[in-house]
Amino acid sequence: TQLLEQSPQFLSIQEGENLTVYCNSSSVFSSLQWYRQEPGEGPVLLVTVVTGGEVKKLKRLTFQFGDARKDSSLHITAAQPGDTGLYLCAGVYRGSTLGRLYFGRGTQLTVWP
Amino acid sequence: DVKVTQSSRYLVKRTGEKVFLECVQDMDHENMFWYRQDPGLGLRLIYFSYDVKMKEKGDIPEGYSVSREKKERFSLILESASTNQTSMYLCASSFSVLIGFGGTPKNIQYFGAGTRLSVL
Repeated sequence: TQLLEQSPQFLSIQEGENLTVYCNSSSVFSSLQWYRQEPGEGPVLLVTVVTGGEVKKLKRLTFQFGDARKDSSLHITAAQPGDTGLYLCAGVYRGSTLGRLYFGRGTQLTVWP
Repeated sequence: DVKVTQSSRYLVKRTGEKVFLECVQDMDHENMFWYRQDPGLGLRLIYFSYDVKMKEKGDIPEGYSVSREKKERFSLILESASTNQTSMYLCASSFSVLIGFGGTPKNIQYFGAGTRLSVL
């Protein structure tokens, strides 16, 4: 069941540009996480957002959880080649069994020098 | 540092073979998960386990089974490998973190590096 829809699926930009990745659902989530995966490795957690309307910053990355807790966004300012990777959102669905995460399909970001 | 170790990075098997993928975590996590990852399809949950000897089906359990005899080890078994099981397999573990009284579970998952399985 694809509870989380991520967009865009692919993003190819030049160094220095800004970008936003979206993660949307019609369901309410208790919390939402963003992971980044590099080739040949498993996903690594970037951030968790828990409260509706919450904004978290991690250097050039800004994460937002929607007021209704149905959506989230990741904004990268002045992207760098080192930001290249697969970005995944994942949520704890309010009605789910404790412990399970629901993942979006991911956004493949490529930043060219 | 949390460590989730998958026994093989690359595996090549023949159709019909029985395949074991092993995963070990060192953080005393109760929860362990097996996913497969395919281009355009994201991470799909195969099976997960909340405790020793307990297992729950995920979204795509057909053709797979699992074993959790010890808390730190979760094995994925392909009883008779088929070519459509060629994929990247990811293991993850987590504990449930509650924030305060009646808090919200965060369920941070820690992943292994993955096993790329090719079935010929």
